[in-house]
Amino acid sequence: QVQLQESGPGLVKPSETLSLTCTVSGDSITSSYWSWIRQPPGRGLEWIGFIYYTGSTNYNPSLKSRVTMSLDTSKNQFSLRLSSVSAADTAIYYCAREVHYLQFEYWGQGTLVTVSS
Amino acid sequence: QSALTQPASVSGSPGQSITISCTGTSSDIGGYNYVSWYQQHPGKAPKLMIYDVSNRPSGVSPRFSGSKSGNTASLTISGLQAEDEADYYCSSYTTSSTLVFGGGTKLTVL
Repeated sequence: QVQLQESGPGLVKPSETLSLTCTVSGDSITSSYWSWIRQPPGRGLEWIGFIYYTGSTNYNPSLKSRVTMSLDTSKNQFSLRLSSVSAADTAIYYCAREVHYLQFEYWGQGTLVTVSS
Repeated sequence: QSALTQPASVSGSPGQSITISCTGTSSDIGGYNYVSWYQQHPGKAPKLMIYDVSNRPSGVSPRFSGSKSGNTASLTISGLQAEDEADYYCSSYTTSSTLVFGGGTKLTVL
């Protein structure tokens, strides 16, 4: 059973960097592409980007200048960093594993990150 | 990249069928058969219901079906049940190897 679990601070100050980690169990992080997706409260889903175990990444063009993804194969984890955050980045952040071509069969439970001073 | 276009809301009575549309462009829906549909209940993570336009993951009811014509994809739910009341999102792979979601559709079972 594949399980994903997001972790990280629930509160980030404006202009600082949001950092989240997704821990994968029941599967190897070398097996697939891994994505981050977010959902502002009461709004729709937004894909942030993906990372492959080789380190290859691709990001949503609207966030590309602020996003960095990385992974740690020894810990079976991958991470998200989003810089220069504002209130508009307040959202539930999900990590997910695809079936293929960015179609997500496995999701974490999501973690709410609030940007506020 | 612009979000795919979905109706904000649809409704139907138990036992009826409903269809949710999702319109994109030739750079996303029209160019690839990598369209997915997700069901999201309040406070829960999205659940994959359809992938590759019309394939159902294991465990998803056959009452859910997907199709595509040109730049528009559709999700049909037949034999509506109270538990189907949820938000539904479409998504599509794009020419830039990125992903775009629809704005979401709230399904109300009357």
